[in-house]
Amino acid sequence: ETGVTQSPTHLIKTRGQQVTLRCSSQSGHNTVSWYQQALGQGPQFIFQYYREEENGRGNFPPRFSGLQFPNYSSELNVNALELDDSALYLCASSQGLAGSSNTGELFFGEGSRLTVL
Amino acid sequence: AQSVTQLGSHVSVSEGALVLLRCNYSSSVPPYLFWYVQYPNQGLQLLLKYTTGATLVKGINGFEAEFKKSETSFHLTKPSAHMSDAAEYFCAVRTDTGRRALTFGSGTRLQVQP
Repeated sequence: ETGVTQSPTHLIKTRGQQVTLRCSSQSGHNTVSWYQQALGQGPQFIFQYYREEENGRGNFPPRFSGLQFPNYSSELNVNALELDDSALYLCASSQGLAGSSNTGELFFGEGSRLTVL
Repeated sequence: AQSVTQLGSHVSVSEGALVLLRCNYSSSVPPYLFWYVQYPNQGLQLLLKYTTGATLVKGINGFEAEFKKSETSFHLTKPSAHMSDAAEYFCAVRTDTGRRALTFGSGTRLQVQP
């Protein structure tokens, strides 16, 4: 069974640039969620994708966008980077919608650490 | 809206001592509750979860937690700490209404002294 994999593991960008982070979900999982974890904080929900459609969004501006592909892998795109976007970005996969009979257990990748200078 | 409060951003115990990490939640509907652990430079790993039924939940690595509705708490305990338990621990809540997402606390860093 292949776990959740994310790439790149580390990257450095400058203010105003754009970044794309990638995630491959665990085998058999069709739902992908993205979380932002700032230094010293708990993860904050960005959005969730189920069957290639956005299925819930946290309090993040529209410059945070995403995609899910037919193979259930996903991308997180952030435009017009700001210094406060520096964080660990975590991808998590699960089977089915979190609001269904699924109890909400998420399987996390190791994250992509973004530094914005 | 739900929220999670973890009391104590840092907890230090001696090896072999009791571990107690506190978590209180706020939710207007019956919650699902989780504890995740994060080792340095790694993602989050599920320790245990409460959904329905028995309020005392056992997880991996000897951890357990008790759901107390009257106290809106879900504290994490382990009878005897090991050096390998040193990590960041996050409590999280989810409900079936509203956003389909976990709301995490700010975390508690556990240090285990030899």
